[in-house]
Amino acid sequence: NAGVTQTPKFQVLKTGQSMTLQCAQDMNHNSMYWYRQDPGMGLRLIYYSASEGTTDKGEVPNGYNVSRLNKREFSLRLESAAPSQTSVYFCAVDLGDNTGELFFGEGSRLTVL
Amino acid sequence: GDSVTQMEGPVTLSEEAFLTINCTYTATGYPSLFWYVQYPGEGLQLLLKATKADDKGSNKGFEATYRKETTSFHLEKGSVQVSDSAVYFCALRGTGGFKTIFGAGTRLFVKA
Repeated sequence: NAGVTQTPKFQVLKTGQSMTLQCAQDMNHNSMYWYRQDPGMGLRLIYYSASEGTTDKGEVPNGYNVSRLNKREFSLRLESAAPSQTSVYFCAVDLGDNTGELFFGEGSRLTVL
Repeated sequence: GDSVTQMEGPVTLSEEAFLTINCTYTATGYPSLFWYVQYPGEGLQLLLKATKADDKGSNKGFEATYRKETTSFHLEKGSVQVSDSAVYFCALRGTGGFKTIFGAGTRLFVKA
């Protein structure tokens, strides 16, 4: 889909390995978000970036780092993956000026063995 | 802190039945309220929204009214279709904040 592109879509890691989830938007919006989705827990915010060059912690930031080097891209890094990080990860963009209306990517399914 | 509570699922209905999915929230001030829908294998899509008390959001036959007095934003549809089978999430964006908080989601199954 045009709008928000996440890569990879699927990944299997071993405990202790590192990886980066990439998110890129072609919508020219300021705010970007990383959520994780787990059964029965809805979506939980990991990190967000209100604008280029700024990032802030969400509800569950431990074990993750993020980078917002330009307006278009917002990456999520797992330095030392743990089985508890097995989840589906979604990147989202706020469609307005902090309106709360989010446009989501298709998700990245990560399994940590 | 802000939070959203929605009814547990799954909800199973026959086609053309009336749907209600309850959602209540806790927040200071006047948050914006949203319903998102997630179809199998896809990301979430915004279904409808309301930004102030007594506003009614509507889209694709779904409606929800922002009730400040009961801190609720229940989702309704008069006649569901098989194609409405999905997971529905209630969400809020607090006043002056950058975070959108989601409920746990309610899975809806509609039988033909």
